[in-house]
Amino acid sequence: AQSVSQHNHHVILSEAASLELGCNYSYGGTVNLFWYVQYPGQHLQLLLKYFSGDPLVKGIKGFEAEFIKSKFSFNLRKPSVQWSDTAEYFCAVFRRGFQKLVFGTGTRLLVSP
Amino acid sequence: DVKVTQSSRYLVKRTGEKVFLECVQDMDHENMFWYRQDPGLGLRLIYFSYDVKMKEKGDIPEGYSVSREKKERFSLILESASTNQTSMYLCASSLGGTLTYEQYFGPGTRLTVT
Repeated sequence: AQSVSQHNHHVILSEAASLELGCNYSYGGTVNLFWYVQYPGQHLQLLLKYFSGDPLVKGIKGFEAEFIKSKFSFNLRKPSVQWSDTAEYFCAVFRRGFQKLVFGTGTRLLVSP
Repeated sequence: DVKVTQSSRYLVKRTGEKVFLECVQDMDHENMFWYRQDPGLGLRLIYFSYDVKMKEKGDIPEGYSVSREKKERFSLILESASTNQTSMYLCASSLGGTLTYEQYFGPGTRLTVT
């Protein structure tokens, strides 16, 4: 069973729409959380990360994510998307005490101009 | 800037061939990783290494082996390629220690086994 769930596999939005991509994980204990993005034809790159402290994390390009421990969630948000945000987005969870970063199945976002 | 390079962007091999995928990083990172990326499955860890000559199995090591003779280089080997190993292969590296650091990814090698 997938331990990191991204429920939206494909999302289509118009420019200026707000975005929220869901990420849930099923691990207990301390976790580090990441969102990676893969633009068409490019490397996978880090969008933002949460290790500790303020559960609202700001990343590059206006993205942010909120860690809600009680809900085991780390949803990605952007108030107003642009055509250039078209990409595939991956949530990833690192469990302290283990040695693996576990990725979700990804969400393909298409932003129409 | 961290740079992770992979030897080929595209590779076509025949069933039964031995395949080598090479990955080199230039940031003196201790940890290196091999993933495969398949539509609808995300990234799955094949093997990783946290030091030279050290290796650990990931989630899907069957049919693969790895080699890390130098710190900057991590090779993935398909001993006898099969069609179900057709995939995108991603290499990544990160700083050492607790493995909680950001992983930097290479551009990927799209392998087709016919």
